[in-house]
Amino acid sequence: LAKTTQPISMDSYEGQEVNITCSHNNIATNDYITWYQQFPSQGPRFIIQGYKTKVTNEVASLFIPADRKSSTLSLPRVSLSDTAVYYCLVGDILTGGGNKLTFGTGTQLKVEL
Amino acid sequence: DTGVSQDPRHKITKRGQNVTFRCDPISEHNRLYWYRQTLGQGPEFLTYFQNEAQLEKSRLLSNRFSAERPKGSFSTLEIQRTEQGDSAMYLCASSLTSGETQYFGPGTRLLVL
Repeated sequence: LAKTTQPISMDSYEGQEVNITCSHNNIATNDYITWYQQFPSQGPRFIIQGYKTKVTNEVASLFIPADRKSSTLSLPRVSLSDTAVYYCLVGDILTGGGNKLTFGTGTQLKVEL
Repeated sequence: DTGVSQDPRHKITKRGQNVTFRCDPISEHNRLYWYRQTLGQGPEFLTYFQNEAQLEKSRLLSNRFSAERPKGSFSTLEIQRTEQGDSAMYLCASSLTSGETQYFGPGTRLLVL
């Protein structure tokens, strides 16, 4: 499974755009990139998933360059409620292994007024 | 759709006691996963079921741990002869099929004294 590297923590202010970058240098051809969000004392929540280029949903955007060795989760106009841990995961979701998720230590995002 | 539920939410036990946790997945989800999360770390995969069949177990799942999903609906995770090192959040997730998004429950926080 491809290993991911993310910043341990990030700070931001309400209303700002936050970009969290994840490195995954040994990503495989069949691997997808998935981001989860986790609040204290809750289970992780799926945010977004992509394979290449750009994916956007109502919550976030995911930017993946052509070499796919990194990806950036973009959260537009964050609020206090976006304070959470964000996990970047890379894995083959379509075949083998039951697609068990492999989490790293994540990025603790703190949003202040 | 009421989401994934777990019971109990908190459990305090003494070392050497047995504990059992229950997970009710989203109805019609064929896949059910168990993860364990310790403080400051991301969740770690323990085991997963496809309907009632347990298809994979992590090396983290010692012989003191056993999981069942007898009718392909709810699942139980039992820990026998608990140790202090078993203290963690135990998370359950479910997905419709392989490759689909995993939805997590709120977790059961276990404290072994």
